[in-house]
Amino acid sequence: AQSVTQLGSHVSVSEGALVLLRCNYSSSVPPYLFWYVQYPNQGLQLLLKYTSAATLVKGINGFEAEFKKSETSFHLTKPSAHMSDAAEYFCAAMNYGGSQGNLIFGKGTKLSVKP
Amino acid sequence: SAVISQKPSRDICQRGTSLTIQCQVDSQVTMMFWYRQQPGQSLTLIATANQGSEATYESGFVIDKFPISRPNLTFSTLTVSNMSPEDSSIYLCSVSRGYGNEQFFGPGTRLTVL
Repeated sequence: AQSVTQLGSHVSVSEGALVLLRCNYSSSVPPYLFWYVQYPNQGLQLLLKYTSAATLVKGINGFEAEFKKSETSFHLTKPSAHMSDAAEYFCAAMNYGGSQGNLIFGKGTKLSVKP
Repeated sequence: SAVISQKPSRDICQRGTSLTIQCQVDSQVTMMFWYRQQPGQSLTLIATANQGSEATYESGFVIDKFPISRPNLTFSTLTVSNMSPEDSSIYLCSVSRGYGNEQFFGPGTRLTVL
């Protein structure tokens, strides 16, 4: 069965520092991959998606992610953290089994940004 | 993109009662899903809402507990039946225009069961 693993339930960075949120997937077939952000008391907003085109994907708010098949990873990065980036981030893989197209989510990583 | 609304946005319910959550999309979509997000947890798929046929439930979720309707391509409801405190969660509706396309999420319904 497919699964998504996010290393680190909580990441803390200083404002202006690099943000790195880790995501690994387990699948014999590289799936479609997504990063979502959830601000407190809000729904999920799509940051970016990988759908087997370019391996480096640029998203909104200065975030990007690189798909590495050899490492089965899809880590999210941002060169310089901003206070407004504090939120919870979810990595998700699209389920190719059963043809339903639903998403399998990682447990999430809460990002804190210190002034 | 798609604009999704959910009603109610939050509710506090008594044990043993039922609550129906509505999900409305501003345009026709192929796929609609219902997820549950328990406090401090990630999202878990409850079921796929199929237009004109019975929903497809994930392991651990049953129709008697979570009946779902999808009468057309822009609307779906999820009912949480015979509620217990363990059902206290955020329930999210999401939509997609097809396999491989991104999913858009509604704002969620925050349910508290006393």
